[in-house]
Amino acid sequence: GQNIDQPTEMTATEGAIVQINCTYQTSGFNGLFWYQQHAGEAPTFLSYNVLDGLEEKGRFSSFLSRSKGYSYLLLKELQMKDSASYLCAVRTRGGLTGGGNKLTFGTGTQLKVEL
Amino acid sequence: DGGITQSPKYLFRKEGQNVTLSCEQNLNHDAMYWYRQDPGQGLRLIYYSQIVNDFQKGDIAEGYSVSREKKESFPLTVTSAQKNPTAFYLCASSLLLAGGNEQFFGPGTRLTVL
Repeated sequence: GQNIDQPTEMTATEGAIVQINCTYQTSGFNGLFWYQQHAGEAPTFLSYNVLDGLEEKGRFSSFLSRSKGYSYLLLKELQMKDSASYLCAVRTRGGLTGGGNKLTFGTGTQLKVEL
Repeated sequence: DGGITQSPKYLFRKEGQNVTLSCEQNLNHDAMYWYRQDPGQGLRLIYYSQIVNDFQKGDIAEGYSVSREKKESFPLTVTSAQKNPTAFYLCASSLLLAGGNEQFFGPGTRLTVL
Protein backbone atom coordinates (compact mmCIF):
# COMPACT_ATOMS: atom_id res chain seq x y z
CA GLY A 1 0.00 0.00 0.00
CA GLN A 2 0.91 3.66 0.08
CA ASN A 3 1.90 5.74 3.07
CA ILE A 4 1.83 9.54 2.87
CA ASP A 5 2.87 11.81 5.74
CA GLN A 6 2.43 15.53 6.12
CA PRO A 7 2.27 17.77 9.21
CA THR A 8 -1.20 18.24 10.62
CA GLU A 9 -1.00 21.96 11.26
CA MET A 10 1.28 24.92 10.56
CA THR A 11 1.09 28.61 11.40
CA ALA A 12 2.85 31.41 9.53
CA THR A 13 2.80 35.19 9.33
CA GLU A 14 1.35 37.24 6.49
CA GLY A 15 4.09 38.17 4.00
CA ALA A 16 6.36 35.34 5.11
CA ILE A 17 7.42 32.10 3.37
CA VAL A 18 6.22 28.68 4.49
CA GLN A 19 7.29 25.20 3.41
CA ILE A 20 4.90 22.25 3.74
CA ASN A 21 6.60 18.87 3.57
CA CYS A 22 5.24 15.58 2.32
CA THR A 23 6.96 12.20 2.51
CA TYR A 24 5.67 9.08 0.87
CA GLN A 25 6.37 5.38 0.53
CA THR A 26 4.88 3.74 -2.50
CA SER A 27 5.50 1.40 -5.40
CA GLY A 28 4.83 2.39 -8.97
CA PHE A 29 5.24 6.13 -8.31
CA ASN A 30 3.87 8.15 -11.21
CA GLY A 31 3.63 11.71 -10.01
CA LEU A 32 2.77 13.90 -7.04
CA PHE A 33 0.06 16.53 -6.83
CA TRP A 34 -0.58 19.38 -4.42
CA TYR A 35 -4.12 20.63 -3.88
CA GLN A 36 -5.47 23.52 -1.83
CA GLN A 37 -8.75 23.07 0.01
CA HIS A 38 -10.64 25.77 1.89
CA ALA A 39 -13.00 24.59 4.60
CA GLY A 40 -16.16 23.04 3.19
CA GLU A 41 -15.03 23.49 -0.40
CA ALA A 42 -13.57 21.34 -3.16
CA PRO A 43 -9.81 20.81 -3.49
CA THR A 44 -8.26 22.90 -6.25
CA PHE A 45 -5.15 21.89 -8.16
CA LEU A 46 -1.94 23.75 -7.33
CA SER A 47 0.97 21.82 -8.80
CA TYR A 48 2.22 18.56 -10.25
CA ASN A 49 5.69 16.98 -10.18
CA VAL A 50 6.74 13.77 -11.86
CA LEU A 51 10.47 14.44 -12.32
CA ASP A 52 12.95 15.55 -9.67
CA GLY A 53 13.34 19.24 -9.17
CA LEU A 54 11.46 22.44 -8.59
CA GLU A 55 8.31 23.60 -10.37
CA GLU A 56 7.47 27.26 -9.92
CA LYS A 57 4.08 28.86 -10.42
CA GLY A 58 3.87 32.41 -9.21
CA ARG A 59 3.87 32.48 -5.40
CA PHE A 60 3.73 28.68 -5.25
CA SER A 61 6.57 26.24 -5.91
CA SER A 62 6.74 22.50 -5.50
CA PHE A 63 9.80 20.30 -5.21
CA LEU A 64 10.20 16.56 -5.68
CA SER A 65 12.93 14.07 -4.85
CA ARG A 66 11.90 10.61 -5.99
CA SER A 67 14.91 8.88 -4.44
CA LYS A 68 14.02 10.30 -1.03
CA GLY A 69 10.26 9.95 -1.38
CA TYR A 70 9.95 13.62 -0.51
CA SER A 71 8.16 16.68 -1.76
CA TYR A 72 7.51 20.14 -0.45
CA LEU A 73 5.18 22.98 -1.32
CA LEU A 74 6.62 26.45 -0.88
CA LEU A 75 4.31 29.42 -0.47
CA LYS A 76 5.84 32.89 -0.72
CA GLU A 77 4.46 36.30 0.23
CA LEU A 78 1.76 34.69 2.31
CA GLN A 79 -1.68 36.22 2.26
CA MET A 80 -4.59 35.71 4.63
CA LYS A 81 -6.49 33.93 1.88
CA ASP A 82 -3.79 31.24 1.84
CA SER A 83 -5.23 29.92 5.11
CA ALA A 84 -6.45 26.50 3.99
CA SER A 85 -5.67 22.80 4.03
CA TYR A 86 -2.94 21.64 1.64
CA LEU A 87 -3.26 18.09 0.37
CA CYS A 88 -0.39 16.03 -0.96
CA ALA A 89 -1.50 13.25 -3.32
CA VAL A 90 0.62 10.52 -4.88
CA ARG A 91 -0.29 8.86 -8.15
CA THR A 92 0.70 5.25 -8.61
CA ARG A 93 0.88 3.38 -11.87
CA GLY A 94 -1.66 0.65 -12.42
CA GLY A 95 -3.22 1.06 -9.01
CA LEU A 96 -6.75 0.68 -10.30
CA THR A 97 -8.59 -2.18 -12.02
CA GLY A 98 -8.15 -1.76 -15.75
CA GLY A 99 -4.59 -0.49 -15.32
CA GLY A 100 -5.40 3.09 -14.45
CA ASN A 101 -3.37 5.34 -12.19
CA LYS A 102 -4.58 5.70 -8.61
CA LEU A 103 -4.41 8.91 -6.60
CA THR A 104 -3.80 8.47 -2.86
CA PHE A 105 -4.19 11.52 -0.63
CA GLY A 106 -2.43 12.48 2.55
CA THR A 107 -4.47 13.77 5.48
CA GLY A 108 -3.67 17.38 4.63
CA THR A 109 -1.80 20.19 6.38
CA GLN A 110 -3.97 22.94 7.87
CA LEU A 111 -2.15 26.24 7.35
CA LYS A 112 -3.14 29.27 9.37
CA VAL A 113 -1.83 32.64 8.24
CA GLU A 114 -1.75 35.29 10.95
CA LEU A 115 -1.22 39.03 10.86
CA ASP B 1 -18.56 27.38 -18.25
CA GLY B 2 -17.21 23.83 -18.01
CA GLY B 3 -17.13 22.16 -14.65
CA ILE B 4 -18.44 19.62 -12.21
CA THR B 5 -21.63 20.13 -10.27
CA GLN B 6 -22.83 18.27 -7.23
CA SER B 7 -26.19 18.61 -5.62
CA PRO B 8 -27.37 19.26 -3.06
CA LYS B 9 -24.62 21.00 -1.05
CA TYR B 10 -26.15 19.87 2.26
CA LEU B 11 -28.27 16.78 2.75
CA PHE B 12 -29.95 15.42 5.83
CA ARG B 13 -31.39 11.93 6.06
CA LYS B 14 -32.78 9.65 8.70
CA GLU B 15 -30.87 6.55 9.62
CA GLY B 16 -31.90 3.55 7.52
CA GLN B 17 -32.80 5.54 4.43
CA ASN B 18 -30.98 5.31 1.12
CA VAL B 19 -29.88 8.60 -0.41
CA THR B 20 -28.51 9.46 -3.86
CA LEU B 21 -25.91 12.17 -4.44
CA SER B 22 -25.76 13.76 -7.85
CA CYS B 23 -22.59 14.45 -9.87
CA GLU B 24 -22.60 15.96 -13.37
CA GLN B 25 -19.69 17.14 -15.51
CA ASN B 26 -19.58 18.91 -18.87
CA LEU B 27 -15.80 18.67 -19.31
CA ASN B 28 -16.10 15.66 -21.63
CA HIS B 29 -13.96 13.69 -19.19
CA ASP B 30 -13.84 9.92 -19.48
CA ALA B 31 -13.05 9.08 -15.87
CA MET B 32 -15.12 9.96 -12.82
CA TYR B 33 -14.53 9.28 -9.13
CA TRP B 34 -16.27 9.45 -5.78
CA TYR B 35 -14.33 10.24 -2.61
CA ARG B 36 -15.31 10.51 0.99
CA GLN B 37 -13.61 12.98 3.34
CA ASP B 38 -13.77 12.76 7.13
CA PRO B 39 -12.18 15.18 9.62
CA GLY B 40 -8.46 14.48 10.05
CA GLN B 41 -8.41 11.96 7.23
CA GLY B 42 -7.38 12.13 3.62
CA LEU B 43 -9.78 11.64 0.74
CA ARG B 44 -10.69 7.99 0.38
CA LEU B 45 -11.78 6.47 -2.93
CA ILE B 46 -15.27 4.91 -2.94
CA TYR B 47 -15.93 4.09 -6.61
CA TYR B 48 -14.53 5.09 -9.98
CA SER B 49 -15.53 4.74 -13.61
CA GLN B 50 -13.48 5.08 -16.78
CA ILE B 51 -16.21 4.51 -19.34
CA VAL B 52 -19.99 4.49 -19.64
CA ASN B 53 -21.65 1.41 -18.16
CA ASP B 54 -18.46 0.40 -16.36
CA PHE B 55 -17.38 1.15 -12.80
CA GLN B 56 -15.09 -0.37 -10.20
CA LYS B 57 -14.91 -0.46 -6.41
CA GLY B 58 -12.39 1.74 -4.68
CA ASP B 59 -10.97 1.29 -1.20
CA ILE B 60 -14.18 1.77 0.78
CA ALA B 61 -17.05 0.67 -1.50
CA GLU B 62 -19.07 -1.24 1.10
CA GLY B 63 -22.47 0.33 1.66
CA TYR B 64 -22.33 2.40 -1.54
CA SER B 65 -23.50 1.89 -5.13
CA VAL B 66 -23.04 3.85 -8.36
CA SER B 67 -24.17 3.90 -11.97
CA ARG B 68 -22.67 5.37 -15.14
CA GLU B 69 -25.44 5.40 -17.75
CA LYS B 70 -24.19 8.63 -19.33
CA LYS B 71 -20.68 10.00 -19.73
CA GLU B 72 -21.69 13.21 -17.95
CA SER B 73 -23.28 11.65 -14.89
CA PHE B 74 -22.02 9.46 -12.03
CA PRO B 75 -24.54 9.37 -9.16
CA LEU B 76 -23.64 7.79 -5.83
CA THR B 77 -26.18 6.03 -3.62
CA VAL B 78 -25.43 5.78 0.07
CA THR B 79 -27.37 2.77 1.28
CA SER B 80 -28.59 1.85 4.73
CA ALA B 81 -25.79 -0.73 4.84
CA GLN B 82 -23.19 2.02 5.20
CA LYS B 83 -22.38 2.04 8.92
CA ASN B 84 -21.14 5.61 9.24
CA PRO B 85 -22.48 7.64 6.30
CA THR B 86 -22.12 11.15 7.74
CA ALA B 87 -19.26 12.73 5.77
CA PHE B 88 -18.26 15.18 3.06
CA TYR B 89 -18.58 13.54 -0.37
CA LEU B 90 -16.53 14.76 -3.31
CA CYS B 91 -16.96 13.84 -6.96
CA ALA B 92 -14.06 14.28 -9.37
CA SER B 93 -13.31 13.73 -13.04
CA SER B 94 -10.27 13.52 -15.28
CA LEU B 95 -9.56 13.14 -18.97
CA LEU B 96 -8.20 9.60 -18.84
CA LEU B 97 -7.98 7.14 -15.99
CA ALA B 98 -4.48 6.12 -17.02
CA GLY B 99 -3.32 9.49 -18.23
CA GLY B 100 -1.21 12.23 -16.71
CA ASN B 101 -4.06 14.57 -16.04
CA GLU B 102 -5.17 16.15 -12.81
CA GLN B 103 -8.52 15.40 -11.25
CA PHE B 104 -11.05 18.22 -11.11
CA PHE B 105 -13.35 18.26 -8.12
CA GLY B 106 -16.96 19.24 -7.66
CA PRO B 107 -18.04 21.48 -4.74
CA GLY B 108 -18.99 18.52 -2.57
CA THR B 109 -22.08 17.35 -0.70
CA ARG B 110 -22.13 17.27 3.08
CA LEU B 111 -24.34 14.38 4.16
CA THR B 112 -25.62 14.19 7.71
CA VAL B 113 -27.53 11.14 8.85
CA LEU B 114 -29.67 11.78 11.90
